[in-house]
Amino acid sequence: SAVISQKPSRDICQRGTSLTIQCQVDSQVTMMFWYRQQPGQSLTLIATANQGSEATYESGFVIDKFPISRPNLTFSTLTVSNMSPEDSSIYLCSVSAGGEQYFGPGTRLTVT
Amino acid sequence: KNEVEQSPQNLTAQEGEFITINCSYSVGISALHWLQQHPGGGIVSLFMLSSGKKKHGRLIATINIQEKHSSLHITASHPRDSAVYICAVSAGGAQKLVFGQGTRLTINP
Repeated sequence: SAVISQKPSRDICQRGTSLTIQCQVDSQVTMMFWYRQQPGQSLTLIATANQGSEATYESGFVIDKFPISRPNLTFSTLTVSNMSPEDSSIYLCSVSAGGEQYFGPGTRLTVT
Repeated sequence: KNEVEQSPQNLTAQEGEFITINCSYSVGISALHWLQQHPGGGIVSLFMLSSGKKKHGRLIATINIQEKHSSLHITASHPRDSAVYICAVSAGGAQKLVFGQGTRLTINP
């Protein structure tokens, strides 16, 4: 199993600023996934973060907007840059361990 | 057309009723996941299926690989079952998931 914590749990930010979200896992994992859940929508994969290499971004997401760090096998950060109200979402990190999927509690971001 | 389709999108039922949520997918998969998301946003994995049927308490999940269809059943539903239920699939060796749009279930006492 895996227990995931995220910080912050929520934030209200002004447009044009940036927010870095931290994700900590209690065990070592190869891949960590960052998802976005816009209001009333399901989850969409932003990128896959591999330790020691560049993150792999899904179509529609770019590194300049969502830079990711993965300094070790238990930690990752996602930055939401130059925010606009359209970035208001829940951001979740996730890992796969033993074939099961585990999710962090999410970071609820509101951009005003 | 989404790769993963769920029905219904919303479901309201009375306590005690038998609940069925359906999921159809259009891609080859290595596994299908049923997830539960409570109003606070936290997501819990209920089942991972690659074939057949699994049961956990009052929850049952089935999958038909040939028909590319899965169902989640809840027996003797209870208001605490009220949540969004999400079907998601993983393909090939990839661990990343593709999600359905979710089914919002409300169980009234």
